[in-house]
Amino acid sequence: QKEVEQDPGPLSVPEGAIVSLNCTYSNSAFQYFMWYRQYSRKGPELLMYTYSSGNKEDGRFTAQVDKSSKYISLFIRDSQPSDSATYLCAMSDSSYKLIFGSGTRLLVRP
Amino acid sequence: DAGITQSPRYKITETGRQVTLMCHQTWSHSYMFWYRQDLGHGLRLIYYSAAADITDKGEVPDGYVVSRSKTENFPLTLESATRSQTSVYFCASRAIDRGGADTQYFGPGTRLTVL
Repeated sequence: QKEVEQDPGPLSVPEGAIVSLNCTYSNSAFQYFMWYRQYSRKGPELLMYTYSSGNKEDGRFTAQVDKSSKYISLFIRDSQPSDSATYLCAMSDSSYKLIFGSGTRLLVRP
Repeated sequence: DAGITQSPRYKITETGRQVTLMCHQTWSHSYMFWYRQDLGHGLRLIYYSAAADITDKGEVPDGYVVSRSKTENFPLTLESATRSQTSVYFCASRAIDRGGADTQYFGPGTRLTVL
């Protein structure tokens, strides 16, 4: 079993929809949780960063961490075609080594 | 331009050949990383470096060699390429951004095909 599980999708939604992306993990030592966005043929870029449990909001994006359930989520409100990309969750314990999920491909249809 | 550059962007080679992928950063970040990205596996860490002349293995180091004689460069060498090393390779460096996030900045990737 992988340390981090993520549904690969693809997830196809109409423009304006609320998108929910999720990851589950098995290592209770993880404290730092990230979401990266990766456009086709580009490197990943950091989208959201959360320490420990709770919510964090940044514009149309909200990241949630539930450490008791070992479950993290990324919500995208009012999704746009420009949000079409692969979204990778990543997490780490107190070190700098990141463990990535396999990524969920999102397509927002105009 | 500031950031991380990788070269070449695309490479086709044959089984058994030695290949070196180059990575250069302009920020002087201490930590640098090499990942490979394969369908269904996400990003997996190959090697990382905490500083010049300090390197260590990641999750999938077999068949790869790294060096770091200068802070800004972190080349990855496939000593004898195999078909299973066909992948997209990403270099990254680590920094604390303005918001306090401990993040990694990724290069554009090198798409390697081993025939």
